[in-house]
Amino acid sequence: DAKTTQPPSMDCAEGRAANLPCNHSTISGNEYVYWYRQIHSQGPQYIIHGLKNNETNEMASLIITEDRKSSTLILPHATLRDTAVYYCIVRVGGDKIIFGKGTRLHILP
Amino acid sequence: EPEVTQTPSHQVTQMGQEVILRCVPISNHLYFYWYRQILGQKVEFLVSFYNNEISEKSEIFDDQFSVERPDGSNFTLKIRSTKLEDSAMYFCASSHGGKVPEAFFGQGTRLTVV
Repeated sequence: DAKTTQPPSMDCAEGRAANLPCNHSTISGNEYVYWYRQIHSQGPQYIIHGLKNNETNEMASLIITEDRKSSTLILPHATLRDTAVYYCIVRVGGDKIIFGKGTRLHILP
Repeated sequence: EPEVTQTPSHQVTQMGQEVILRCVPISNHLYFYWYRQILGQKVEFLVSFYNNEISEKSEIFDDQFSVERPDGSNFTLKIRSTKLEDSAMYFCASSHGGKVPEAFFGQGTRLTVV
């Protein structure tokens, strides 16, 4: 079973920052937090990952709390193309990915 | 940018027939995976493959399923005798390995069993 809890759906206005929360209170010390998204029925797309520190790349930012029990994925300027299901996953590198139900993000024009 | 490619994009087969789904992982990757997604449901893990052998499989991956890396570049999933409930999107993924290997997914093969 997935070790994360996410809201089933969220709305965000186009051009605004989308903040997607994730709880992972049972995360182990050697597990990383990964975020993927799935646009319609396409293959899951890797977004970002982190261990303890906040991370940023060209797609998004990842904020991990100091106790590592929760995190937030930030899409700084959401566009209609960001409409997708977003998955928060904890895993040790190399292990299989266990997908939960994710958060369905709707970007509103 | 390197990507995982899957063929065919859509396969229709009759119940009881064998199908082979093909994947070309990213060239320097060492870990390979198959997942499936039944319409409207979660993405489910099937099998992982490393060093020319299965490293882990789910309870879905029964004797009807097999995987192979026949030539060092392709990674295949075979379903021996398809059932209606095998209809799904099948995704292949690969990762490099190392301490924090992000996995990259292909665009999937839609399998329809009639």
